[in-house]
Amino acid sequence: GEDVEQSLFLSVREGDSSVINCTYTDSSSTYLYWYKQEPGAGLQLLTYIFSNMDMKQDQRLTVLLNKKDKHLSLRIADTQTGDSAIYFCAESMGPSNTGKLIFGQGTTLQVKP
Amino acid sequence: KAGVTQTPRYLIKTRGQQVTLSCSPISGHRSVSWYQQTPGQGLQFLFEYFSETQRNKGNFPGRFSGRQFSNSRSEMNVSTLELGDSALYLCASSWGEEDTQYFGPGTRLTVL
Repeated sequence: GEDVEQSLFLSVREGDSSVINCTYTDSSSTYLYWYKQEPGAGLQLLTYIFSNMDMKQDQRLTVLLNKKDKHLSLRIADTQTGDSAIYFCAESMGPSNTGKLIFGQGTTLQVKP
Repeated sequence: KAGVTQTPRYLIKTRGQQVTLSCSPISGHRSVSWYQQTPGQGLQFLFEYFSETQRNKGNFPGRFSGRQFSNSRSEMNVSTLELGDSALYLCASSWGEEDTQYFGPGTRLTVL
């Protein structure tokens, strides 16, 4: 089936680390993505991970993938007020389902000063 | 390099009308995908075009259609608008099949 689940809300203090979690169901996923959406804007690609990787680090962002449990997480180190936004995880559906991403509901990250 | 652009950014229409939205992909990208974003249903895939051909389609009624031109620019059309079509319509471009999608700012459609 096609389903991606995320928790809806996360609140952290500025300077803390944030961890946003996501679970997906389709084992044929090849790439998994994290996008950020600020109010009134489109989706900004943050990072992505290939399904045969366990971890990817990109500056303040760390992505962990547990393929056995179909669990994906995004860790943001030293969270800033400018990181306040909605974060979406998404999975690609493989070459038989081109151009289609399945998105979670989005996690609203609130960063308190 | 310029990003994905969408025009217009905002539209207000009434029920029964039709609307055309435009998307210009990143230079060199040949695949364009369209998504509808609403508070209730979230982000849902509409369709994907590659080299002027629709390769994939989501579960939307036939009132939703699209096309792609030889320069990879894409349009989507919604006919006989309904109140429930009010949404943010996002397009995304990529090089090809499984490549990373880059999104435009969206077109906010309001149907009255």
